[in-house]
Amino acid sequence: AAGVIQSPRHLIKEKRETATLKCYPIPRHDTVYWYQQGPGQDPQFLISFYEKMQSDKGSIPDRFSAQQFSDYHSELNMSSLELGDSALYFCASSFRGGPSSNTGELFFGEGSRLTVL
Amino acid sequence: SQKIEQNSEALNIQEGKTATLTCNYTNYSPAYLQWYRQDPGRGPVFLLLIRENEKEKRKERLKVTFDTTLKQSLFHITASQPADSATYLCALDSNYQLIWGAGTKLIIKP
Repeated sequence: AAGVIQSPRHLIKEKRETATLKCYPIPRHDTVYWYQQGPGQDPQFLISFYEKMQSDKGSIPDRFSAQQFSDYHSELNMSSLELGDSALYFCASSFRGGPSSNTGELFFGEGSRLTVL
Repeated sequence: SQKIEQNSEALNIQEGKTATLTCNYTNYSPAYLQWYRQDPGRGPVFLLLIRENEKEKRKERLKVTFDTTLKQSLFHITASQPADSATYLCALDSNYQLIWGAGTKLIIKP
């Protein structure tokens, strides 16, 4: 079965540079989530999209932005990178069936490891 | 403040024994709670979901309980194996988001 695909798997950037992460959700899933996870930390929710519209916003810095495209893939754009942005970034998808429905089971990608030097 | 607590220290269990992990929460009234397994450098993998009106749920060697009065979920792995070694995360729903615990690292020793 198709899983959530993330790219790139690894990314090294310098401070103040820009990075873009991509996510391809499982087909027919209507919701995409972005999480940031530091070493030994729980996943921190950044932002989610339901049917290509932003649905919830978590602790996403103003330097970050995200969108979901017509083909349902999503991109997380990170600008003015800081050392503290180094982390694993996970994308997850689920089928909620409605904007006010609970999240249900999340399917995670393998993550993109960002290292800021 | 709203909080989810899982054992922060690693849990060491002898192979074949039952491992029990705890997830406590405060100031939430979740409709359901989920458990995930995460291996180092990998994404979390869904294991079980239990709803507020369910006391217990089982899947093969896994069992989850949910006590909304105690605000606690217990996650059991019976006949544990070294391959069960991983970090286990609990997550509960709140305002259409999942709120995550920091996870408990489980180590099954042969």
